[in-house]
Amino acid sequence: NAGVTQTPKFRVLKTGQSMTLLCAQDMNHEYMYWYRQDPGMGLRLIHYSVGEGTTAKGEVPDGYNVSRLKKQNFLLGLESAAPSQTSVYFCASSYSPAGLGKQYFGPGTRLTVT
Amino acid sequence: DQQVKQNSPSLSVQEGRISILNCDYTNSMFDYFLWYKKYPAEGPTFLISISSIKDKNEDGRFTVFLNKSAKHLSLHIVPSQPGDSAVYFCAASERLAGNQFYFGTGTSLTVIP
Repeated sequence: NAGVTQTPKFRVLKTGQSMTLLCAQDMNHEYMYWYRQDPGMGLRLIHYSVGEGTTAKGEVPDGYNVSRLKKQNFLLGLESAAPSQTSVYFCASSYSPAGLGKQYFGPGTRLTVT
Repeated sequence: DQQVKQNSPSLSVQEGRISILNCDYTNSMFDYFLWYKKYPAEGPTFLISISSIKDKNEDGRFTVFLNKSAKHLSLHIVPSQPGDSAVYFCAASERLAGNQFYFGTGTSLTVIP
């Protein structure tokens, strides 16, 4: 039981490049989330999904797109990376909605945009 | 605007003593609160939670206290151990509305042996 895994662990992009971060969970959770963590800002929600085929915007969705084609996977895309997107990205999943249960987090992806 | 605040970025405590981490929130609709612990290069892991119908919840060495009137919660760790050294995040949500947790900025706890 791997829990929540994230690929890749590290990535360096040049401004304007695109990339996709992959999150996978093997706990059969309905709910999945993408957060970014920046110094002094805590974790901020980018996008989330309440089930296969659904996505919704969080606090800071601009510059990102997501897809949930399969229940176990949640992809985060950056179409044209900007230095402001340099951050650590965490994926999380949960069995219940945010108000009813805890979230399980992946180990994070450290992204640097130069 | 930060709805959940942890005003102490760092805290140092001697091993065996009590660690008290504080968290304040501004949204009176929040009624479910969690604490997460995070080690370097790892994701946050769930520690303890409390709903607004309670004012205290205990789990071993960890106790969370909730003061709804002050919009304040605290995490007590007794006794503190060197392995407790980590960043602690509090998070809040509305149980019946939305699917979002709001996180504080974190407090880095160092337990000195």
